[in-house]
Amino acid sequence: NAGVTQTPKFQVLKTGQSMTLQCAQDMNHNSMYWYRQDPGMGLRLIYYSASEGTTDKGEVPNGYNVSRLNKREFSLRLESAAPSQTSVYFCASRLYMDMNTEAFFGQGTRLTVV
Amino acid sequence: AQSVTQPDIHITVSEGASLELRCNYSYGATPYLFWYVQSPGQGLQLLLKYFSGDTLVQGIKGFEAEFKRSQSSFNLRKPSVHWSDAAEYFCAVGLFKLSFGAGTTVTVRA
Repeated sequence: NAGVTQTPKFQVLKTGQSMTLQCAQDMNHNSMYWYRQDPGMGLRLIYYSASEGTTDKGEVPNGYNVSRLNKREFSLRLESAAPSQTSVYFCASRLYMDMNTEAFFGQGTRLTVV
Repeated sequence: AQSVTQPDIHITVSEGASLELRCNYSYGATPYLFWYVQSPGQGLQLLLKYFSGDTLVQGIKGFEAEFKRSQSSFNLRKPSVHWSDAAEYFCAVGLFKLSFGAGTTVTVRA
């Protein structure tokens, strides 16, 4: 069972470069999320998509954009990377947002911006 | 606004000893509560969840948690820790969006 798949697993960017983090889930889930994890701060929500065709900002959306390409895929784009965006990024999915369902997480993307 | 506080950043416990991780939450309604575990270099795995009903919840890997509304707490416990329990543990609250605590790192010594 693949679950939630993130690519790439590791990435080094130079300041000002752009990149897209990819996320795909094969569980037919409706809701998808992007989090960033920083030491001592837990996971913070960047953007989420309640269902196909909708996206909304989370706690820390500045510097990021997202695309819900279809029901399976939810990508996160950094248009002009900054050192402050060095982090581990996690994608997650849930069957529905408004029901008592658990979130399933990908393995993470470790991004370093130099 | 919803939030989670995990007061202990790091806990060291001997193998075979009991473990308790604290979690305090702030939530406007009946809380939906979760505990996740993260092994080094891995994603998060759900240990257990509480939505309603019995306030003592059983999870995987021998973990349990108790919901105490009066204390706004959802503490995680395990009676006897194994070396493989060394990991980072996150408490989370929320329905539409999950808010996570900062995490507690557990070290298990032989």
